[in-house]
Amino acid sequence: GENVEQHPSTLSVQEGDSAVIKCTYSDSASNYFPWYKQELGKGPQLIIDIRSNVGEKKDQRIAVTLNKTAKHFSLHITETQPEDSAVYFCAARKNNAGNMLTFGGGTRLMVKP
Amino acid sequence: GAVVSQHPSWVICKSGTSVKIECRSLDFQATTMFWYRQFPKQSLMLMATSNEGSKATYEQGVEKDKFLINHASLTLSTLTVTSAHPEDSSFYICSARDRDRGQYFGPGTRLTVT
Repeated sequence: GENVEQHPSTLSVQEGDSAVIKCTYSDSASNYFPWYKQELGKGPQLIIDIRSNVGEKKDQRIAVTLNKTAKHFSLHITETQPEDSAVYFCAARKNNAGNMLTFGGGTRLMVKP
Repeated sequence: GAVVSQHPSWVICKSGTSVKIECRSLDFQATTMFWYRQFPKQSLMLMATSNEGSKATYEQGVEKDKFLINHASLTLSTLTVTSAHPEDSSFYICSARDRDRGQYFGPGTRLTVT
């Protein structure tokens, strides 16, 4: 089955700096890679996703890159703000109806004002 | 769009009782719904996958007689924790997938069994 590794487990940055979270996956058949943000006591919220037919996707301060050959993908947050502080999860899935997401272990991001 | 609601948001029950948690996709039809359990400071653990009108598929180690899942319609799934014990205390999160295969999560239900 799929195995997703996520690093780092905790990340502390100064407000305004960039944050990068990296994930690797094992199953080369995986072709859908979402990122979720989870605030304390809440469910995960989808913030961006990428499919394997593209190498990069950007949405305002958030971008995701995908390297299919190396089987890794990364989340980039620029100009971080205190409200970006949360736990971020990457995930991978084969994009068929019956398949489920495999999650990384999560990264606790702390943005210091 | 793609809003998933969960009810209740938190519940406290006595050991031995049963608790039902509802999960609804508010603005889309969910062909598949998922139930996760999350312990503090840990990632999400998939408990089961359910498709509307069919039996749920449980992950290894999850007792199907204890965690009853009913996917009654394309917008509603329920998880019933039967004969709850303190070790069942956890954060339970549902998720629903839409046609475009995006997967969206509910806000979670914190269950405390005393």
